[in-house]
Amino acid sequence: ETGVTQTPRHLVMGMTNKKSLKCEQHLGHNAMYWYKQSAKKPLELMFVYNFKEQTENNSVPSRFSPECPNSSHLFLHLHTLQPEDSALYLCASSYGSGRLQDTQYFGPGTRLTVL
Amino acid sequence: GQQLNQSPQSMFIQEGEDVSMNCTSSSIFNTWLWYKQDPGEGPVLLIALYKAGELTSNGRLTAQFGITRKDSFLNISASIPSDVGIYFCAGRQETSGSRLTFGEGTQLTVNP
Repeated sequence: ETGVTQTPRHLVMGMTNKKSLKCEQHLGHNAMYWYKQSAKKPLELMFVYNFKEQTENNSVPSRFSPECPNSSHLFLHLHTLQPEDSALYLCASSYGSGRLQDTQYFGPGTRLTVL
Repeated sequence: GQQLNQSPQSMFIQEGEDVSMNCTSSSIFNTWLWYKQDPGEGPVLLIALYKAGELTSNGRLTAQFGITRKDSFLNISASIPSDVGIYFCAGRQETSGSRLTFGEGTQLTVNP
């Protein structure tokens, strides 16, 4: 499955580091999403972009900074993270039409560990 | 925010057995989705449901959109070892645009 790709797949960083996660979708979609997945918790929506415009920020701390240069690419810039930010970060994309059939497709995720 | 109650949280079954899991909510949803997540991977869409009462199959998987629009069920028949993983339900409400609400997942273990 190469519809939605994410790099890197694994990342270990210190609390003072700056790193970026990258997501790319090859499905012709217009909406892209960042989710955080922690153990034993439902997926938490972080950000939504529609046609490169941020349409939702789900009260995410400013140490997470998203960037969407075009409809195919989405970044999550990380700075001065905390150990509790360690999680699987998932990217997803969809047509963003809001119609019933607007299904989200996920990438494989980036497993982030903050030391 | 809206919550989806997914049950059971975990299941341990023998190969060949059938499996049932469900999601319920106090709110109405107009789309129900079922995803499977393997360890270290992202969720993969299994079945999408768009109409109350709809029953849809994908191989050994069958899912139903509850008639009240407040629940959905997923059944797996004749389980095999590769069915192991976490199964998530997700729902979308009419007023939520593309936003999905996810259940907490059902961890399925299949013993050979």
